[in-house]
Amino acid sequence: QKEVEQDPGPLSVPEGAIVSLNCTYSNSAFQYFMWYRQYSRKGPELLMYTYSSGNKEDGRFTAQVDKSSKYISLFIRDSQPSDSATYLCAMSATGGSYIPTFGRGTSLIVHP
Amino acid sequence: GAVVSQHPSWVICKSGTSVKIECRSLDFQATTMFWYRQFPKQSLMLMATSNEGSKATYEQGVEKDKFLINHASLTLSTLTVTSAHPEDSSFYICSARQTGKTYEQYFGPGTRLTVT
Repeated sequence: QKEVEQDPGPLSVPEGAIVSLNCTYSNSAFQYFMWYRQYSRKGPELLMYTYSSGNKEDGRFTAQVDKSSKYISLFIRDSQPSDSATYLCAMSATGGSYIPTFGRGTSLIVHP
Repeated sequence: GAVVSQHPSWVICKSGTSVKIECRSLDFQATTMFWYRQFPKQSLMLMATSNEGSKATYEQGVEKDKFLINHASLTLSTLTVTSAHPEDSSFYICSARQTGKTYEQYFGPGTRLTVT
């Protein structure tokens, strides 16, 4: 079992839909949780990060962490075609080098 | 803020030659930089972690003599692919961690290497 599991998709939704992207993990030591967006042939862009459990909102994006279930989510409201990209979750433990472990990414397609 | 650049963005080289890729943090100091490799539709594979002024730490299975990493300053790290072969063709991405920040990484735009 991989430390971080993420469905690669693709996930195809109509414009305006609410998108839910998810990752599960097995390492209970993970405390920092991040979401990156990667457009084709580009480097990943940090979207949001959270520490420990709870929700965090930034515009149309909401990140949610449920440590009891080892499950994190990224919600995108009012999705736009420009949101079409691959979304990678990443997480790291405290202490040590804080090198994050990445999921393989979910490809999202928002069609007009 | 937190911009990372990479150069070149795309390079084609012949088998047996060496290629150098530069990674620069433009508006912040980065004590630690990371080098990743990414295959199509795959996640990021960490190759090595480089700390300014010290030797890079390579992940298991990554040949340190083939992928030379130098992190000579707080804003520049380089990756040199030596004696490149077609199987080294890939998308190489660097990221930089701002000094004092423990969990945020900022990625460069990537370098696509094609070895013919």
